Amino acid sequence: DIQMTQSPSSLSASVGDRVTITCRASQYISNNLNWYQQKPGKAPQLFIYSASNLQSGVPSRFSGSGSGTDFTLTISSLQPEDFASYFCHQSYTTPPTFGGGTKVGIK
Amino acid sequence: QVHLVQSGPEVKKPGASVKVACKASGYTFSSYGISWVRQAPGQGLEWMGWISTYNGNTNYAQKFQGRVTVTTDTSTTTAYMELRSLRSDDTAVYYCAREVGAIDRGWFDPWGQGTLVTVSS
Repeated sequence: DIQMTQSPSSLSASVGDRVTITCRASQYISNNLNWYQQKPGKAPQLFIYSASNLQSGVPSRFSGSGSGTDFTLTISSLQPEDFASYFCHQSYTTPPTFGGGTKVGIK
Repeated sequence: QVHLVQSGPEVKKPGASVKVACKASGYTFSSYGISWVRQAPGQGLEWMGWISTYNGNTNYAQKFQGRVTVTTDTSTTTAYMELRSLRSDDTAVYYCAREVGAIDRGWFDPWGQGTLVTVSS
C-alpha cells in the first residue's frame, strides 16, 4: 500500500496567515492526489482534486500543487471558517490511502 | 443536489454484525461507484471497499477481506456495508462516499453524514 505522510500534524495560525500543508507519497502517484477538509463531527468535504483543481464552491484562497510524490495545499489568507482538519488522499492505486491529517488551529 | 444519507447510529456487541445503509439522491445512481471509509475516534481515514453501482463488482481492502460485504439495491438507490465479527476496535464512524472521476483514479464527493458504530459488551 502507498503510505501518505502529511506534515505538520497540527499547526496554530492567525487569521490572515498564509498556511502550507504538505503531503508526501511513498511512491509515484502522478497527480492523483486529493484534499479534503473536515470539521469536528462532520464528514470530510472535497476541496482539491487531481492535485490542483479547485472543487466548485471552494474559496479561491485555497490552492494545491505538486506531482509525483510531493504535494502541497496552501491557504493564502486564513479565514475563521478554515480552522479544521485537512486530509490528503491518493487515488493512483488500490487501496486508496489517506494522510494522517493536519489540524489547523487558532493561535 | 447530490446527497448521500446514511442510516442511524448502532450499538453492537463483540462478535455481532452491523449493516449500514447509504441512500443516494440527486444523480444517476448507476453512473458512479460507492466507497466505504471509516474513521476511528480521533483517528484518520481508512478505506474499506468499493462497489460498482453499474454491475455490482466489488473491491475490498485486504484488512477487511472475508469480514465485509458491500452491496447495492438499484431500485432504491441505496448502498449497504455489512461488517461481521465485530470487535471493539471496529468502533468508528463509517462513511459512504461517491467516487467521481476516472474509474479507480477518482476522488470522493460527496460523503454521507457518517454512521457511528459502537462495539461494546
